[in-house]
Amino acid sequence: QSALTQPPSASGSPGQSVTISCTGTSSDVGGYKYVSWYQQHPGKAPKLMIYEVTRRPSGVPDRFSGSKSGNTASLTVSGLQAEDEADYYCGSYAGSNNFVFGTGTKVTVL
Amino acid sequence: QVRLKESGPGLVTPSQTLSLTCTVAGGSTSSGGYYWSWIRQHPGTGLEWIGYIYYSGTTYYNPSLKSRVTISLDTSKKQISLKLISVTVADTAVYYCAFSPGYNFDYWGQGTLVTVSS
Repeated sequence: QSALTQPPSASGSPGQSVTISCTGTSSDVGGYKYVSWYQQHPGKAPKLMIYEVTRRPSGVPDRFSGSKSGNTASLTVSGLQAEDEADYYCGSYAGSNNFVFGTGTKVTVL
Repeated sequence: QVRLKESGPGLVTPSQTLSLTCTVAGGSTSSGGYYWSWIRQHPGTGLEWIGYIYYSGTTYYNPSLKSRVTISLDTSKKQISLKLISVTVADTAVYYCAFSPGYNFDYWGQGTLVTVSS
């Protein structure tokens, strides 16, 4: 299984929105509703931000939202704040009890 | 809230076996419907799913690592173990354990860096 494809970087000014894409295949992203997104600050463990494409765990701001169209999932961060600067990884169930992560996107708040 | 902590040697010699333990607090490893996972992150790069073990003991592994990996569960000690045999420098990474109520990783340990070097 190959890693899901994400853009290496994305950026936006405070208060703006940024959208990160996550492209897979019909065997992973396109085939299941189990796409998740993780935020990772330097030297820290990843944190779950979105699961099952659109659902937010308790405590995650509603500025974070997820969607999916075909084989591509997206994470949108609205009203960017300085603390949103981090690496973001998508992940997807890939069938047959396998899981695959994305290549990661570094989000910079300008 | 589930809390996880990884432990084990920080340095492993090439061709030897990497052994790590994840200790769980605030939750039960014998509760139904949950998966306990191992994930690694090579220095400066992305995440790689290693595998997970269901509360019943059934295991599932990344096909690329399947021949070298064993994940086990000790419910009495609330510990999940990872063994990776025949390691090379390419296995140098931060290793995380994670709790999964479904097909996502809800809680993560702090991670432990394992360096493979002679």
